[in-house]
Amino acid sequence: EVQLLESGGGLVQPGGSLRLSCAASGFSFSNYAMSWVRQAPGKGLEWVSVISGSGGSIYYADSVKGRFTISRDNSKNTLYLQMNSLRAEDTAVYFCAKVPAANRGYYFDYWGQGTLVTVSS
Amino acid sequence: SYVLTQPPSVSVAPGQTARITCGGNNIGSKSVHWYQQKPGQAPVLVVYDDSDRPSGIPERFSGSNSGNTATLTISRVEAGDEVDYYCQVWDSSSDRYVFGSGTKVTVL
Repeated sequence: EVQLLESGGGLVQPGGSLRLSCAASGFSFSNYAMSWVRQAPGKGLEWVSVISGSGGSIYYADSVKGRFTISRDNSKNTLYLQMNSLRAEDTAVYFCAKVPAANRGYYFDYWGQGTLVTVSS
Repeated sequence: SYVLTQPPSVSVAPGQTARITCGGNNIGSKSVHWYQQKPGQAPVLVVYDDSDRPSGIPERFSGSNSGNTATLTISRVEAGDEVDYYCQVWDSSSDRYVFGSGTKVTVL
């Protein structure tokens, strides 16, 4: 059974940093691209970033480019999102999601339950 | 950037058919995917590649895509279908995933 478990969310001040983790199990982690998708309170889904199975290809939404860094450790079956220079508008539930292929594109076939990031002073 | 347009809400009587549209420029040339999201929960994939269903998704959920509009159809609507639905595509020209703004289905 595929399981994705996010952690690392919390309250952070504007301009601060936070690192999210997503522990994966139930599938061959390195064979699949992984992504982060966020949802602000009461709003819709917004794609954040995607990383290929090997980690060699990475893409970001314009809203986070230059501030967020996606990475993965295939030896630990874990996906990360380093978030710097956080803004109030980054407040959201952050979901990690699995792509059913090694590279970007397609859709998200499995999602974690999400971790809440709140940016506020 | 590519934009997907969904109606904010769709109302349907129990047992009837709900149709949720997703508009985009020449969306028929792209693969469209649909997610169902219940309050406080993660999205669940209900249709992928325009019209395929993941295992475990009832046959009541179906999809189509042509021209500038993709459609998610929910037949024999039940009270439990009264949640949010999002369409999504991969925009290869910008290397971005794009979501629609979401549609809330209301069962009358």
